[in-house]
Amino acid sequence: EPEVTQTPSHQVTQMGQEVILRCVPISNHLYFYWYRQILGQKVEFLVSFYNNEISEKSEIFDDQFSVERPDGSNFTLKIRSTKLEDSAMYFCASSEIGGSTDTQYFGPGTRLTVL
Amino acid sequence: QQQVKQSPQSLIVQKGGISIINCAYENTAFDYFPWYQQFPGKGPALLIAIRPDVSEKKEGRFTISFNKSAKQFSLHIMDSQPGDSATYFCAATVQGGSEKLVFGKGTKLTVNP
Repeated sequence: EPEVTQTPSHQVTQMGQEVILRCVPISNHLYFYWYRQILGQKVEFLVSFYNNEISEKSEIFDDQFSVERPDGSNFTLKIRSTKLEDSAMYFCASSEIGGSTDTQYFGPGTRLTVL
Repeated sequence: QQQVKQSPQSLIVQKGGISIINCAYENTAFDYFPWYQQFPGKGPALLIAIRPDVSEKKEGRFTISFNKSAKQFSLHIMDSQPGDSATYFCAATVQGGSEKLVFGKGTKLTVNP
C-alpha cells in the first residue's frame, strides 16, 4: 500500500539553526500538508499546499517557516531559525483530490529537538 | 471556538470490553468528523468518519455516535482487542471549506489481555 514517507525520523539542532524536514507524499496525490504535535499536546495544522502554492496557513506558520516542492516527489518544510519552542513531532500528510472530506494520509513524523 | 475537546486522556480496558472516547465541539460550522488511530512510531491513520446528517456510523467493531444538538460525538470500540491499543484522535473540518483538520488532544487506549 502506498504511504507517505518522512526523513529524517529524528533531527537534533541548535537554536538559531535552519532545518529542512523532508516528505515524499503518495505519488498520485496533489494536496500536501504539514502538521505538528508538541509533546503532550494536540496535533496542529501548519500549512496546506496545492499547485505549487500555499492554500492555507495557520497563525503558527510565520515567516520562519516555508514550504517547497522542489521536484516531482519531495515536499519540504524549512524552519529558518529554530527556537526551543519549535521542538515537536512534525507530520507530513497528503490527499488525492483535496477538500475537507478527502482522506489525508499521514507520514510517520519527524521528531525535531531544538537545544 | 475552533477547539475539539476530547476525553478521557487515557483509557484502560480489558480484552472484550467496550472502549468509549468522547469529543465535543463549539464551532457549529464543523460538519465532518473523522477519527484517527495512531500506533507508536506511525502517523495518524483514518479509522472512521461521520457527517452530522446521521446519528451513527458503524464499521466492524468501531461505531461513531453523533449528537448534533449537544455538539458531541463519540467512538465506541466493541469487543476491544490488545491490537486496538493505540492513541485515538477525534477531528473536525468544515465540509466544503478548509481542508485543515482540527484535532482533539488524543486518547491513549490500552487493552489488557
